[in-house]
Amino acid sequence: SYALTQPPSVSVSPGQTASISCSGDKLGDQYASWYQQKAGQSPVLVIYQETKRPSGIPERFSGSISGNTATLTISGTQAMDEADYYCQAWDSTTVVFGGGTKLTVL
Amino acid sequence: QVTLKESGPVLVRPTETLTLTCTVSGFSLNNARMGVSWIRQPPGKALEWLAHIFSDDEKSYSKSLKSRLTISKDTSEGQVVLTMTNVDPVDTATYYCARWKGSNEFDYWGQGTLVTVSS
Repeated sequence: SYALTQPPSVSVSPGQTASISCSGDKLGDQYASWYQQKAGQSPVLVIYQETKRPSGIPERFSGSISGNTATLTISGTQAMDEADYYCQAWDSTTVVFGGGTKLTVL
Repeated sequence: QVTLKESGPVLVRPTETLTLTCTVSGFSLNNARMGVSWIRQPPGKALEWLAHIFSDDEKSYSKSLKSRLTISKDTSEGQVVLTMTNVDPVDTATYYCARWKGSNEFDYWGQGTLVTVSS
């Protein structure tokens, strides 16, 4: 079955740039979305259609796609960005989530 | 203002059937290209998609759980219902419903409801 692969963890120093990858055979044909989930909270959409940012999401969050890999980039990472991040895509009429990446801001 | 709210039992016994309700407001389940998915998250684990219902009442299910799931909606009540048969302790999770607006993403999520399966 279709899978999206993310690194389990990423660490970044405050003010630096964090990059989280998401690989899947059908990415590029299907849009990827990204969600931020802080401890004890529901997921929040931070990037959709690979590069678009919903209103209210800070400009430091951006997305890109290269081949079959989507990347979420957080520029000037802040302590408040520490969270789990999930990518998501559709596979025909079903939905797939990546395994999640824990972002630690050291 | 768009909101989704999950409701259902806190505790379910193994082999029983779990019924969860997602009550939506701020949009209509009849709107073209609108849909709602159910997604769950076991404690400390990743998100897992379960099922989706489209505005035309078309339904889609996780391949691994398809035999145990049924999704339906009551448009007049603004509710989407998920039933899961023959539950097991591994089904212990927070269950979320989320809105899909016809593109790829889920733009609004409910607060989630924690369901524990235990005897």
